[in-house]
Amino acid sequence: GAVVSQHPSRVICKSGTSVKIECRSLDFQATTMFWYRQFPKQSLMLMATSNEGSKATYEQGVEKDKFLINHASLTLSTLTVTSAHPEDSSFYICSAPGLLYNEQFFGPGTRLTVL
Amino acid sequence: AQSVTQLDSHVSVSEGTPVLLRCNYSSSYSPSLFWYVQHPNKGLQLLLKYTSAATLVKGINGFEAEFKKSETSFHLTKPSAHMSDAAEYFCVVSDKTGNQFYFGTGTSLTVIP
Repeated sequence: GAVVSQHPSRVICKSGTSVKIECRSLDFQATTMFWYRQFPKQSLMLMATSNEGSKATYEQGVEKDKFLINHASLTLSTLTVTSAHPEDSSFYICSAPGLLYNEQFFGPGTRLTVL
Repeated sequence: AQSVTQLDSHVSVSEGTPVLLRCNYSSSYSPSLFWYVQHPNKGLQLLLKYTSAATLVKGINGFEAEFKKSETSFHLTKPSAHMSDAAEYFCVVSDKTGNQFYFGTGTSLTVIP
């Protein structure tokens, strides 16, 4: 089946720095990708929809300037957490739809820890 | 709008006994529903999905779920729990495009030896 990868799998950074997380569709193209956030022992919350060649669509309550999304190619979307703070520490997961209706492939996730 | 409610945040069963994880949905159209499993420090794995075909859906690892429109439910079951089933389980509904997924709050399954 199709594979979605994320890099890095874990990152620890200092407060105030920016962190970039990559989401790649390895053997298929994705004009759309989705970014989720998962707090410890909680569910996944959709943050934004990444659109290749155009601006991302953010869910209500998600700060656009805080979470910068770039979808520069048909196989890569990046999420940059700018000026990270400890409350941004979370598990970030991306997904990409497959060719079939309702088919969605999830990445393995990136655990961000902000000190 | 569509949403799912997982009725139990935590379920504990003994190894070899049945598993029941409950999920109720709300949708203004005929929904597509999924169950995903997440093992510790691992990615999400699709267990099964319902997309308006047979109401009883069989998935991987012996799991199955039944779509009941009259009860707006999509409960996940397994006849006999295995230690390796211990994980977090998410009930999910997709939007009409089939692209955006909305997750329930999750049920943590513990299997007691």
